[in-house]
Amino acid sequence: DAGVIQSPRHEVTEMGQEVTLRCKPISGHDYLFWYRQTMMRGLELLIYFNNNVPIDDSGMPEDRFSAKMPNASFSTLKIQPSEPRDSAVYFCASRRDSNQPQHFGDGTRLSIL
Amino acid sequence: AQSVTQPDIHITVSEGASLELRCNYSYGATPYLFWYVQSPGQGLQLLLKYFSGDTLVQGIKGFEAEFKRSQSSFNLRKPSVHWSDATEYFCAVGSSGTYKYIFGTGTRLKVLA
Repeated sequence: DAGVIQSPRHEVTEMGQEVTLRCKPISGHDYLFWYRQTMMRGLELLIYFNNNVPIDDSGMPEDRFSAKMPNASFSTLKIQPSEPRDSAVYFCASRRDSNQPQHFGDGTRLSIL
Repeated sequence: AQSVTQPDIHITVSEGASLELRCNYSYGATPYLFWYVQSPGQGLQLLLKYFSGDTLVQGIKGFEAEFKRSQSSFNLRKPSVHWSDATEYFCAVGSSGTYKYIFGTGTRLKVLA
């Protein structure tokens, strides 16, 4: 059973560039979550989807961040333009329903120079 | 306000010794409680979960946790620690019908040979 798959695993880019992170949730999971992890702020929930619909994006830090889920098997998190303070590990997680635990991908380590 | 506190940022134990990692929560509803482990460069892996029923929960890798409602705690324990247990552990809380989890800031475990 494949877990949550994220790509790329590592991304290094220059400030001002557009960054797109990708996530494939576990098949059959109706909920998808994007998190950001930093040393200073720990694990922060950015946005989550239910049945491909964004439900709560209150954690998205700025308008530079956007997320989409065009179908049940794919989601993207985009940062445009990127800034050095966006450097972090970004995790995607999925869950079958509210009474089940979340399953995390291995994350994308993003470095903005 | 809903919150999860892991009072110990770092814990050091000797290999073979017992382990207890503390987790306290503040939550208005009946909580769902989780412990996750994060190995370097990887996502969070579920160790164990509590939804209801028996307050002593068994997880993977020989871990267990006990839900104590009167103390608002869900401490993680292991009778005998192995060097491979050295990594970071996160406590999280949610509830039925709530799609967000609140994560603690993590406890980093060091194991002495």
